[in-house]
Amino acid sequence: SAVISQKPSRDICQRGTSLTIQCQVDSQVTMMFWYRQQPGQSLTLIATANQGSEATYESGFVIDKFPISRPNLTFSTLTVSNMSPEDSSIYLCSAEATGQGARGYTFGSGTRLTVV
Amino acid sequence: GNSVTQMEGPVTLSEEAFLTINCTYTATGYPSLFWYVQYPGEGLQLLLKATKADDKGSNKGFEATYRKETTSFHLEKGSVQVSDSAVYFCALTSYNFNKFYFGSGTKLNVKP
Repeated sequence: SAVISQKPSRDICQRGTSLTIQCQVDSQVTMMFWYRQQPGQSLTLIATANQGSEATYESGFVIDKFPISRPNLTFSTLTVSNMSPEDSSIYLCSAEATGQGARGYTFGSGTRLTVV
Repeated sequence: GNSVTQMEGPVTLSEEAFLTINCTYTATGYPSLFWYVQYPGEGLQLLLKATKADDKGSNKGFEATYRKETTSFHLEKGSVQVSDSAVYFCALTSYNFNKFYFGSGTKLNVKP
């Protein structure tokens, strides 16, 4: 399976600012995913990012708030814009190694975001 | 639609006790089922999976059997260790693996 390096691992940010989270994969992957894990809750899919196309957002998430880039097959970023305390969560990226289906899904170690 | 329901935690056990974490699902079509583990301060790691009915996934002493008739995928381990303390997530994917649905997670605390 692919190995994902995600950074920053944690950050404390002021409300109204933005934070960009990066995920680097050690191999080319077709699909990358961004999840949010609010305190004490499960993971919720924010969006799916394929290289060369616009990200597909899930209900309740919009591009203006969570812009995503996917410039190549090994890298993606998620920006949390105009942050408020309600955005305090763990954000995780995930990738599906090309052609491996469910066997090839891996997750980054997460970014623990606190907005004050 | 697709959804996963798993037992609430935290679950506290003594070392060498038997573990069961219940997971049931609702899905259209024929999903694949997974258990992921999240150790403190780390990301999710795939623990085991099953891709069709009656399959048994196993890893590190953990087992789970895909039960289509009861729409369940309960996680079991015969003898837990302190190092098993973590949060466990049950999940499913649609047939084309392009989206995961996660349960709420169950925190396991194992005491020496």
